Amino acid sequence: DQQVKQNSPSLSVQEGRISILNCDYTNSMFDYFLWYKKYPAEGPTFLISISSIKDKNEDGRFTVFLNKSAKHLSLHIVPSQPGDSAVYFCAASAQTGANNLFFGTGTRLTVIP
Amino acid sequence: SAVISQKPSRDICQRGTSLTIQCQVDSQVTMMFWYRQQPGQSLTLIATANQGSEATYESGFVIDKFPISRPNLTFSTLTVSNLSPEDSSIYLCSAMDRALAGYTFGSGTRLTVV
Repeated sequence: DQQVKQNSPSLSVQEGRISILNCDYTNSMFDYFLWYKKYPAEGPTFLISISSIKDKNEDGRFTVFLNKSAKHLSLHIVPSQPGDSAVYFCAASAQTGANNLFFGTGTRLTVIP
Repeated sequence: SAVISQKPSRDICQRGTSLTIQCQVDSQVTMMFWYRQQPGQSLTLIATANQGSEATYESGFVIDKFPISRPNLTFSTLTVSNLSPEDSSIYLCSAMDRALAGYTFGSGTRLTVV
């Protein structure tokens, strides 16, 4: 049973435009969410996180939005850059810092110069 | 943030043999984790490795197949035993990085069983 879902396996965006990556979850106990970026032949790199007490967290070009009622979160990258091309995973846990992270299957973002 | 060195980066193994994967962290961490990513699937937690105690395995994973060692706060190994082609996956180790309130990952081990 996939508790964290990324329904778009791929996304292409023009450089300078906004990239929006989406993630849905089913477990209402999840209260901490993370986004990771993964380049080929490398492990995932932590990007940004959000706790369920917030609905938005911003870090430079990256903003994560959380809609708890819809069990949906999204990652916005603006402006998108070619170096952002990677696979993005969202992950969720039922307790901040807990080990039971559940990952989505990832979305491959391609930023076209 | 913590940096994890994982090796080997890839290996091709004969069925019935075993592969041991090592992860070295450049700082002391309480909890380390081992994940598997099968082709086209999400990252799945295999087990949590705490120093000084036995690893805690997730449903579907057993110690006989995936023995784990955690001899100190900076090092852990995962062995994938009695290999079969179904074990062909990417295996990742991770450590909880409190400074980031997130997790740091090793670079992964791509295992192919032939």
